[in-house]
Amino acid sequence: AQSVTQPDIHITVSEGASLELRCNYSYGATPYLFWYVQSPGQGLQLLLKYFSGDTLVQGIKGFEAEFKRSQSSFNLRKPSVHWSDAAEYFCAVSGAGNMLTFGGGTRLMVKP
Amino acid sequence: EAQVTQNPRYLITVTGKKLTVTCSQNMNHEYMSWYRQDPGLGLRQIYYSMNVEVTDKGDVPEGYKVSRKEKRNFPLILESPSPNQTSLYFCASSLTGVPNEKLFFGSGTQLSVL
Repeated sequence: AQSVTQPDIHITVSEGASLELRCNYSYGATPYLFWYVQSPGQGLQLLLKYFSGDTLVQGIKGFEAEFKRSQSSFNLRKPSVHWSDAAEYFCAVSGAGNMLTFGGGTRLMVKP
Repeated sequence: EAQVTQNPRYLITVTGKKLTVTCSQNMNHEYMSWYRQDPGLGLRQIYYSMNVEVTDKGDVPEGYKVSRKEKRNFPLILESPSPNQTSLYFCASSLTGVPNEKLFFGSGTQLSVL
């Protein structure tokens, strides 16, 4: 079975500061990994995905994520956070079949 | 405009009264899926469909039914809703299915079962 853990339920950062959101996954083989963002009252939007190849993947809105097999992690990063980045972020993993398993989410708040 | 449309956006009902949440996509996608979102639990997959007349259970299918009679529509049916089905529901679709294609999400349906 596949699973995802996002250890931080809430994170607050100052505008302009760097950001790292943690994601740990469990899956026996090489997984497909995703980060989605959910703005208030909206559905989810894909930020980036990892399938294979380069372990550092670039996404939209200036986000990037790094796949580390040895740590079973896929952390999301952004060098400088903007107030509009305040949202809830979900890491997800897909392994077998067409199941997509999400983590519990991390709510990001941005201080002016 | 390419989109996934869910209706209604908000729904309040009582225990045991059958209800249907509709989902429609205009992108000719093969794959459609239903999720429920609960605080701290993220999104959990209820059912998914790879094509017309093909549906499969996700992680939390109990108490739900789906059908896929047409490619564009994938309604979620609660035949006898219970309070533990109070949740935020999302429909999603993709061209060929996870993981190859990104999911497009609807705006959500907030369901309250009293």
